[in-house]
Amino acid sequence: SQKIEQNSEALNIQEGKTATLTCNYTNYSPAYLQWYRQDPGRGPVFLLLIRENEKEKRKERLKVTFDTTLKQSLFHITASQPADSATYLCALEDSSASKIIFGSGTRLSIRP
Amino acid sequence: EAGVAQSPRYKIIEKRQSVAFWCNPISGHATLYWYQQILGQGPKLLIQFQNNGVVDDSQLPKDRFSAERLKGVDSTLKIQPAKLEDSAVYLCASSLYRAGGSNEQFFGPGTRLTVL
Repeated sequence: SQKIEQNSEALNIQEGKTATLTCNYTNYSPAYLQWYRQDPGRGPVFLLLIRENEKEKRKERLKVTFDTTLKQSLFHITASQPADSATYLCALEDSSASKIIFGSGTRLSIRP
Repeated sequence: EAGVAQSPRYKIIEKRQSVAFWCNPISGHATLYWYQQILGQGPKLLIQFQNNGVVDDSQLPKDRFSAERLKGVDSTLKIQPAKLEDSAVYLCASSLYRAGGSNEQFFGPGTRLTVL
């Protein structure tokens, strides 16, 4: 069956360092991959979308890579700040932008 | 621009009772999604609408869950009868429709359901 795995343990990073989160998937051939941020008690907020034919996408301090051979996406936050502390979710979609699957998320904590 | 609206924000019911959730998407968004998020897990898609038609409801437990979007705008999700394992946050999201493409989803604040 289709499966998405994100860092199962919480990630604790020192402020100013680069945080790297992973999203691995099996038994799926996504056309799109999205990353969302979720704060406690709130709905997810969209961050970045990357297509299967794109290797990398950047937005301000965020960078996403998408390797369809390794079946993996990496999400980087450079110059991390305590305000970046949240749970980060990856989501996969097929080519018809349906059959959406979310990972369980990685909780990121940035300590001052 | 107003975001996705959901009500109620919290609901506590006893097992075997019925419950309904309401969602009003962002104006102009043709696609509407309902998700179930159990504590510690990612959102699980229950149903996806394109206007008032269903795109995907493969993970909707149809023996107890139903959803409708009659006029292609707001939507209701119903559970009848509820079970203990239905305790979760129910999230509604909407997005613009673009043929052959994916779009960012805008999520509402969710409805936290507790089944006793």
